[in-house]
Amino acid sequence: DADVTQTPRNRITKTGKRIMLECSQTKGHDRMYWYRQDPGLGLRLIYYSFDVKDINKGEISDGYSVSRQAQAKFSLSLESAIPNQTALYFCATSVTGQDGYTFGSGTRLTVV
Amino acid sequence: RKEVEQDPGPFNVPEGATVAFNCTYSNSASQSFFWYRQDCRKEPKLLMSVYSSGNEDGRFTAQLNRASQYISLLIRDSKLSDSATYLCVVNMDGDMRFGAGTRLTVKP
Repeated sequence: DADVTQTPRNRITKTGKRIMLECSQTKGHDRMYWYRQDPGLGLRLIYYSFDVKDINKGEISDGYSVSRQAQAKFSLSLESAIPNQTALYFCATSVTGQDGYTFGSGTRLTVV
Repeated sequence: RKEVEQDPGPFNVPEGATVAFNCTYSNSASQSFFWYRQDCRKEPKLLMSVYSSGNEDGRFTAQLNRASQYISLLIRDSKLSDSATYLCVVNMDGDMRFGAGTRLTVKP
């Protein structure tokens, strides 16, 4: 089993729909992150969490929300999906934030 | 100016060639630096951390120049399997900032 698991792997949804992307990890890391990747822009941080009671906005949090249900689970929601949220979404974990990140295999989201 | 800037490439090199990528960063107070490798449609994977004194891992050498605010990655004796996008990552004020990546294609 992967250390960081994202579901679904691929999703096509319609504009205005609510969608949730899920991430779970078996690494025991406290820190979890959601990023989106667009061609030519690199990964951009959406939200991050340092423990279950800690939620922080990243660079591009508008239009997204998150929930840290447990140390191992961190989900990302799009309340009302729009086409410019079409992207590749990655969840990541780390121990201290100064170390390297472990990424999930990504969710490819298409909003039509 | 982008916080982390990389030449997007693509770099097309023959097998066995030596290739080098540079990355510049904007925050002089940045403390930690990394190179990640990302295969097409896959997740980024940590290739190596970059230390002040420079470090080597097999065919890969990473260097940091704090005065000029850039890091580099050198790949010697390129293999077909080195074809990927290489992401420069800089920790700025506790946040990881990713470059957009440099694409490398190694050809037979």
